[in-house]
Amino acid sequence: SAVISQKPSRDICQRGTSLTIQCQVDSQVTMMFWYRQQPGQSLTLIATANQGSEATYESGFVIDKFPISRPNLTFSTLTVSNMSPEDSSIYLCSVDGAGGPRGNEQFFGPGTRLTVL
Amino acid sequence: GDSVTQMEGPVTLSEEAFLTINCTYTATGYPSLFWYVQYPGEGLQLLLKATKADDKGSNKGFEATYRKETTSFHLEKGSVQVSDSAVYFCALSDGVYGQNFVFGPGTRLSVLP
Repeated sequence: SAVISQKPSRDICQRGTSLTIQCQVDSQVTMMFWYRQQPGQSLTLIATANQGSEATYESGFVIDKFPISRPNLTFSTLTVSNMSPEDSSIYLCSVDGAGGPRGNEQFFGPGTRLTVL
Repeated sequence: GDSVTQMEGPVTLSEEAFLTINCTYTATGYPSLFWYVQYPGEGLQLLLKATKADDKGSNKGFEATYRKETTSFHLEKGSVQVSDSAVYFCALSDGVYGQNFVFGPGTRLSVLP
């Protein structure tokens, strides 16, 4: 199973600023996923990031607000741009199971807890 | 589209009580089913899964059986511990490579000593 780290683990930001969240995996993976978890809510998929191509965004999420980079098979970043208090959430990175018996699973990072004032 | 419904929480139990968290799903195909657990301040961890009808997933005393006829995947544990306090998410996926996940709303479990 993949081991995933995220930076920062938490941050408090002022409205109108931007924050970039990093996701690092200890093995090469095909797909990386970015989720938002609003307080007390379930997970909502923001986008899927494949190396070498543009990220695929879900309905309600746009690249201008949540630009994503995927420069290689072990790393991705999500930027939350022009933040407002409504962006206060936990942002989770996950990866696919990379084949094998656990290939249909997703493995999650610890999350980044963002508070926007 | 596919969807997952699960028991609304919060659920509060005493230590050693029996736990059931109901989960039902709607899907056009034959998805894999999962239970993930989120401990306070952490990301999600896979608890158990089942990939086809009548499969039983089990881990750490938790069990769930893939019931195609009732489109259900209820989570059970015979004797809960304080350390089981967490949020539990039922999920499905029709993807072979870990894509196309749909998560339920989550059920918060608190176990009191």
